[in-house]
Amino acid sequence: AQKITQTQPGMFVQEKEAVTLDCTYDTSDQSYGLFWYKQPSSGEMIFLIYQGSYDEQNATEGRYSLNFQKARKSANLVISASQLGDSAMYFCAMREVFYNTDKLIFGTGTRLQVFP
Amino acid sequence: EAQVTQNPRYLITVTGKKLTVTCSQNMNHEYMSWYRQDPGLGLRQIYYSMNVEVTDKGDVPEGYKVSRKEKRNFPLILESPSPNQTSLYFCASREGGAAQPQHFGDGTRLSIL
Repeated sequence: AQKITQTQPGMFVQEKEAVTLDCTYDTSDQSYGLFWYKQPSSGEMIFLIYQGSYDEQNATEGRYSLNFQKARKSANLVISASQLGDSAMYFCAMREVFYNTDKLIFGTGTRLQVFP
Repeated sequence: EAQVTQNPRYLITVTGKKLTVTCSQNMNHEYMSWYRQDPGLGLRQIYYSMNVEVTDKGDVPEGYKVSRKEKRNFPLILESPSPNQTSLYFCASREGGAAQPQHFGDGTRLSIL
């Protein structure tokens, strides 16, 4: 069965420093997609970045990059040059790519606190 | 403005009183889903729909019903709510294609007393 594990309930980082949020996944399928979402204290869910299982390069979106290690089944989010506004909950999620399903599995999240 | 709209945003009700949370999207998305978020558990998928009249169970469907009679609407129905359904609920929609992310509504906080 699919599973997403985020082992860091909380992380602290100083402003302008880089931080890595861990995500490991478990699937027996070859075709899947990995997503990261941000949830600020206001509650909305914001899509950050996507990595496909067949993508050879790590995904990047501005200050966000995804450190994808397929053999280790890890998809860690790296935030460079942290800002105070990055303080939020971060969720890793996985979707298996089948034509007849749209299941999306989330991890339990990591709360990131950025301090000045 | 492209958006997913949920109503109500907040609801306090009592055990057994049927309720419906509406969800509407204006992006012509084929795929829609409902999730619940509970502390320490992340988001869990309740139901999803891949097109009009096509719905299927997610990981936690017990106690919920859905329908997809029109492409834009995907209501969540609690026929006989119980306190363990107290949660934060999100509706989401997306375009087809494996890389397409979910667009989430602002959430509905339900309290069942």
